[in-house]
Amino acid sequence: QKEVEQNSGPLSVPEGAIASLNCTYSDRVSQSFFWYRQYSGKSPELIMSIYSNGDKEDGRFTAQLNKASQYVSLLIRDSQPSDSATYLCAVASGGSYIPTFGRGTSLIVHP
Amino acid sequence: DAGVIQSPRHEVTEMGQEVTLRCKPISGHDYLFWYRQTMMRGLELLIYFNNNVPIDDSGMPEDRFSAKMPNASFSTLKIQPSEPRDSAVYFCASRGTSGTWEQFFGPGTRLTVL
Repeated sequence: QKEVEQNSGPLSVPEGAIASLNCTYSDRVSQSFFWYRQYSGKSPELIMSIYSNGDKEDGRFTAQLNKASQYVSLLIRDSQPSDSATYLCAVASGGSYIPTFGRGTSLIVHP
Repeated sequence: DAGVIQSPRHEVTEMGQEVTLRCKPISGHDYLFWYRQTMMRGLELLIYFNNNVPIDDSGMPEDRFSAKMPNASFSTLKIQPSEPRDSAVYFCASRGTSGTWEQFFGPGTRLTVL
């Protein structure tokens, strides 16, 4: 059984701070890693994907992957109230790349 | 493109009734996924299709659930008979076979079984 673990939160940060969201996974052969954002009452949307060890930056978002530790994280710099949402970590193995989703971390950015 | 289209957006029904959820994937995508999301269990994959063929239905909770994809532009998820524990948001998602492996989700159907 492939497992993807996230702290459910809520994680509360002040506006302008760095929000750090963490995810661990159980399947050592996982190759693809995704972060989805889901606003309340809406569907998940992909914000970051990462496939190799290290950091990947896209605007205010940075995904970090450490396959040896089976750990992936998402950093949000200069957090804004509009970043308040649930962030889902998803992990996929090779072949068909069908992801397993974590249960998500709720982020609250307060003014 | 209009994105993934799901209908209905909300469904309220009584226990024992048949429920049919519908999905139109993004044109050109050859993978289609059905998910169920609840507070208790999070986002669960129920079944997925590749080129209209069901590949893995191990997530379908029981025989009351069935899914079909008669053509590349339409899929249904049916629950018969429905039970209160089926109440959840059901998402359909589609994906192509190259690029970022991104799944594009529809707006979801919120199902309430009384």
